[in-house]
Amino acid sequence: ETGVTQTPRHLVMGMTNKKSLKCEQHLGHNAMYWYKQSAKKPLELMFVYSLEERVENNSVPSRFSPECPNSSHLFLHLHTLQPEDSALYLCASSQDIGQGTDTQYFGPGTRLTVL
Amino acid sequence: RKEVEQDPGPFNVPEGATVAFNCTYSNSASQSFFWYRQDCRKEPKLLMSVYSSGNEDGRFTAQLNRASQYISLLIRDSKLSDSATYLCVVNIKGPNQAGTALIFGKGTTLSVSS
Repeated sequence: ETGVTQTPRHLVMGMTNKKSLKCEQHLGHNAMYWYKQSAKKPLELMFVYSLEERVENNSVPSRFSPECPNSSHLFLHLHTLQPEDSALYLCASSQDIGQGTDTQYFGPGTRLTVL
Repeated sequence: RKEVEQDPGPFNVPEGATVAFNCTYSNSASQSFFWYRQDCRKEPKLLMSVYSSGNEDGRFTAQLNRASQYISLLIRDSKLSDSATYLCVVNIKGPNQAGTALIFGKGTTLSVSS
């Protein structure tokens, strides 16, 4: 399936590095999301974008910086991360955010390891 | 109280068994409810939405009890391919009230063996 793609699929970075995660959706959706999935924890919503505008920032540290240049692309810029930030980062999209009834389609995720 | 709670399992069942998963949620204002399935090292995928009247999709039946804030998923005639983690998902208003956000439970792991 290629509805939502994410690159890279795996990333190893040091705490002083700067890297970016990329997400692209080919579904014509208006809403995009970043989630974090750590071992033994539920998926945690990080950011929500609707029509390229950020509508939610779920108390995420500033070392994570999202960017949504258009409704098809979403980036997550990473800077001075901590080892505890190691996790699977999942991007998702839905038609709209509306009342939350729209199905969210997830990308395959980027597995991030911070050394 | 956690927003969405599930029994983590694992549930180990033989092929053909019937298995039920339960989930409770804390936000009484939640409007939409879903079960997602996540295979090992893969992304979550929608299994089915959950409606107040209950709904069925083949071997899968989902039920919602708003009064008890309780959601269930029943799988009949389990197949080997049903082995996965099942995530209970509830929507709530986001912190900024600008839209809604999905809150995921930790998931219940099912292992079906031959």
